[in-house]
Amino acid sequence: DVKVTQSSRYLVKRTGEKVFLECVQDMDHENMFWYRQDPGLGLRLIYFSYDVKMKEKGDIPEGYSVSREKKERFSLILESASTNQTSMYLCASSLIPSGGATQYFGPGTRLLVL
Amino acid sequence: AQTVTQSQPEMSVQEAETVTLSCTYDTSESDYYLFWYKQPPSRQMILVIRQEAYKQQNATENRFSVNFQKAAKSFSLKISDSQLGDAAMYFCAYLNYGGSQGNLIFGKGTKLSVKP
Repeated sequence: DVKVTQSSRYLVKRTGEKVFLECVQDMDHENMFWYRQDPGLGLRLIYFSYDVKMKEKGDIPEGYSVSREKKERFSLILESASTNQTSMYLCASSLIPSGGATQYFGPGTRLLVL
Repeated sequence: AQTVTQSQPEMSVQEAETVTLSCTYDTSESDYYLFWYKQPPSRQMILVIRQEAYKQQNATENRFSVNFQKAAKSFSLKISDSQLGDAAMYFCAYLNYGGSQGNLIFGKGTKLSVKP
């Protein structure tokens, strides 16, 4: 079975802090994604990566950056956390960029910025 | 740009009954994929069922089936013999076939409650 893990289930940070959210997948997937989930808004794509050191902006990249130094690991970085970044963050991975590849999700990180 | 609309923010069903969740989408593409994902409370998002647009036959997975109407751009999910464990948020999602982006476009979700 595909396993996608995220470093923390719950995280509390202060405004202005630098925050790192880590995601690891164990199935050698090329593609990895970071989504933000907010009530009534569904899931919105922040960034995705289709290869090591490659990244593409999603729909809401402002205030975020990402890093993919190894194929299995994709990090989301909040350079200076703000209260409007309080949300649930979901990581996902898939085997190929398109062609109907199923995305597998991690358990999510619920981030609270005070 | 593609969009996905789930018009029912919340639904409720009696245990053992059948419920249908609605999803419509907008696209100018002819080849694409559609998915239903389930997110139980405080648990991981998992794939329920997927449909390839080029296939006329509706996908089924045990108690879950879809009604895919390509011309109407409609993709509803039917859950038969509902169980308490089916209570969750359900998200409809769209994926373009081909192209450089592989990201899913999600609807806003339908919260399904199952009454014992």
